[in-house]
Order: sequence, then structure tokens, then C-alpha cells
Amino acid sequence: TQLLEQSPQFLSIQEGENLTVYCNSSSVFSSLQWYRQEPGEGPVLLVTVVTGGEVKKLKRLTFQFGDARKDSSLHITAAQPGDTGLYLCAGEETSGSRLTFGEGTQLTVNP
Amino acid sequence: DAEITQSPRHKITETGRQVTLACHQTWNHNNMFWYRQDLGHGLRLIHYSYGVQDTNKGEVSDGYSVSRSNTEDLPLTLESAASSQTSVYFCASSEYSEQGDTQYFGPGTRLTVL
Repeated sequence: TQLLEQSPQFLSIQEGENLTVYCNSSSVFSSLQWYRQEPGEGPVLLVTVVTGGEVKKLKRLTFQFGDARKDSSLHITAAQPGDTGLYLCAGEETSGSRLTFGEGTQLTVNP
Repeated sequence: DAEITQSPRHKITETGRQVTLACHQTWNHNNMFWYRQDLGHGLRLIHYSYGVQDTNKGEVSDGYSVSRSNTEDLPLTLESAASSQTSVYFCASSEYSEQGDTQYFGPGTRLTVL
């Protein structure tokens, strides 16, 4: 089983601050996905990165896939209270459609 | 609109009882998955299926079983519920695209085993 280490596990910041969440592995993934989960709901896909070195932007969120396709980061600029939630990274195994999830980062943005 | 539903949303049962959690998707996806989510462990794969009559074990499959008799449904059965199986269970379905395998999750079932 491939492992994904996500850090930090908890993050509490003030509105307007920037933050970065990291997702690291010793294994290569065919793609790396980021999900966001609200309380009482299932995770919802934010973005998928496929190519090593790829950078994708979604409004104030920037996602990067490592050159070796083993790690990824999520950067949020000028965080807002609406960004509060659980952020999960997931690596798609090269051998099939299964995803390996990181432990998640619980983000709280205080007004 | 296509969707994936789970039932029940909440379930309380006793140790030793058999429990079945339902998952139904109208996406017409071939791939379906069951996960459990616990604090400090993220989402862990229990069982998955790539199509009708196909089932496979995930990393935490002991004590669980699934069957796939049609495209739309993948019920998860706990043969003899244990307190360690108290968790939130998520079902997902997916299809492959050039952007990778996107999984769509149900709303979850919170199971408590007393």
C-alpha cells in the first residue's frame, strides 16, 4: 500500500493570512487529487494534477505537483472564513483507479 | 441530475449483529468504492469493485463484505459488528478520464456499534 503523509494535521489562522498544506510520499502516483470536505458531507474534488511539475490555480488556491510525481502542495492566498474545512490529498495508484488518501488537514480561518 | 446516495445516514447497532449499508449511484460508473473515515487515519479503503460481479479487498477489509449484482449498487455488509467498526462510512463511484480517476462521494453513513 502506498502511503501519503499530509501536513499539518491542524491549522488555525486569521482571515487574510496565507497558508500551505503539504502532501508527501516515497511512491510515484499517476495523478494527485485534492478534495475538500465539509462536516456531515462527503469529500468533493477540487483539482487533479497529472503531470510532474504541473501548477493549477483555482481562484485563491494554487496546487502544485512535484516534478517526480511523489508530492504535492496546496497554497491558499488571503484565506477567508469560507475556506474552513478538511482538505484531503489523494494519490491515484499507477496500477489502477484506487486512491490513497492522506490523513487530512483541518483548516480553520477565523474572522 | 446524477447522484450517489447512501442509506441509512445514521445507524446504531449492537455488537455481533449483521449490518448492511446501502450505496446507490446513478452516474452509470463502473468503479465503486467503500471507505471508512476515522480521526487521524483519513479515508481508508475497505472494498472496491470495477464492475458487475467484480469485488476486491482494500487495506481494511477484515469483517466486511460487498457484492455487486448490478452497476448501480454496492452494499457493504458487516458480518458481525464490532465496536472497532464504529466509524463514518463513505461510498464513492468513479470513471476514468484524461485528467485521472475522479471519485464522487456519497454523504456518508455514521455507524455506532454499542
